[in-house]
Amino acid sequence: NAGVMQNPRHLVRRRGQEARLRCSPMKGHSHVYWYRQLPEEGLKFMVYLQKENIIDESGMPKERFSAEFPKEGPSILRIQQVVRGDSAAYFCASSFLDRVNYGYTFGSGTRLTVV
Amino acid sequence: AQTVTQSQPEMSVQEAETVTLSCTYDTSESNYYLFWYKQPPSRQMILVIRQEAYKQQNATENRFSVNFQKAAKSFSLKISDSQLGDTAMYFCAFMKPGNKLVFGAGTILRVKS
Repeated sequence: NAGVMQNPRHLVRRRGQEARLRCSPMKGHSHVYWYRQLPEEGLKFMVYLQKENIIDESGMPKERFSAEFPKEGPSILRIQQVVRGDSAAYFCASSFLDRVNYGYTFGSGTRLTVV
Repeated sequence: AQTVTQSQPEMSVQEAETVTLSCTYDTSESNYYLFWYKQPPSRQMILVIRQEAYKQQNATENRFSVNFQKAAKSFSLKISDSQLGDTAMYFCAFMKPGNKLVFGAGTILRVKS
């Protein structure tokens, strides 16, 4: 039973390009969470999705960032027109709804570097 | 809004000794959950231990235990018989039922041989 899979592990983008980060939840998990970790900081919540629905996007920047979790396929975090301040590690986690209080299962993260 | 504070940016401990990492939180909720996560250099987030606020008994997982003081809103992690593999960043986190995790800024723990 594979864990939460994130790819790519490392992503380098030039300023102004688009970044697409992928997350495949654990088998049977239908809830996905995205977190961002800036250097020397803890993880900050970005967005919570269920299949085809955004449940809570209170942590998402208002511009350039979007997330989806389609009926088929992985969840995607998309950052348009990246800037240097977007450089961070982006973590995805997944859970069963009724097990969420047991803590999430995290992926290994995608480290985005904007040059 | 809930906040989580880890007041120790860095800690060191000798191998085989015991170390305690501090965490305090602020909430008006009465029912919630607390967690400690470990992040080694590989960057993987690993759940170490979990505590339910309605349980008075402190959680333990092998060498890891917590001291949960609900009235003081304190949730410290004790690591006994420290091992080199315990070297990592440790994050304290808070969750209301059904809601998102709120993390502290983390404590870097270095275990020395």
